[in-house]
Amino acid sequence: KNEVEQSPQNLTAQEGEFITINCSYSVGISALHWLQQHPGGGIVSLFMLSSGKKKHGRLIATINIQEKHSSLHITASHPRDSAVYICAVSTGNQFYFGTGTSLTVIP
Amino acid sequence: DTEVTQTPKHLVMGMTNKKSLKCEQHMGHRAMYWYKQKAKKPPELMFVYSYEKLSINESVPSRFSPECPNSSLLNLHLHALQPEDSALYLCASSHLAGGIPKETQYFGPGTRLLVL
Repeated sequence: KNEVEQSPQNLTAQEGEFITINCSYSVGISALHWLQQHPGGGIVSLFMLSSGKKKHGRLIATINIQEKHSSLHITASHPRDSAVYICAVSTGNQFYFGTGTSLTVIP
Repeated sequence: DTEVTQTPKHLVMGMTNKKSLKCEQHMGHRAMYWYKQKAKKPPELMFVYSYEKLSINESVPSRFSPECPNSSLLNLHLHALQPEDSALYLCASSHLAGGIPKETQYFGPGTRLLVL
């Protein structure tokens, strides 16, 4: 069993839709990370959070430490949001990655 | 400067070749990481350097040899690789506080390696 589970694995949305990606983890963590990876490789860190909620533009990340669950929300989705979104948790100096959610936003 | 750079971008090598991947950052980060990523899979941690010392080696075969010559540079030396080693190799870095990563990891663009 993976330490980090994400759902859904694949997601297709119409432009403008509200999108939610979920992440559950089973280990004690110091922080949870949401990463974005576009085709071609480069990974960009979107959020690092250890409690509560963070917002950056149209992206919102929340975490519930008691339930060991986090969500990434994208409001007013746009085709340029199409990418793989990866949830990762850090514990000590170990990182555990989820399997990613492949998002396609159709115009 | 919040950039991690990696060279080369692409590398094709034979199974008898010796090559090196390079990673550089000038953010003062004292933790640096090598990851291997196969298509449609999440990154797999290979090595972690903390304060220029190897702190984690995730049972990586000896044909991969990391080196951290100073706090800004991280190399991955490759020798006698197998075709199954073909993947995207990602470097990342982060601040450390008390030996624990603080803030997020910054990733380089990766080196896409093909072993023939």
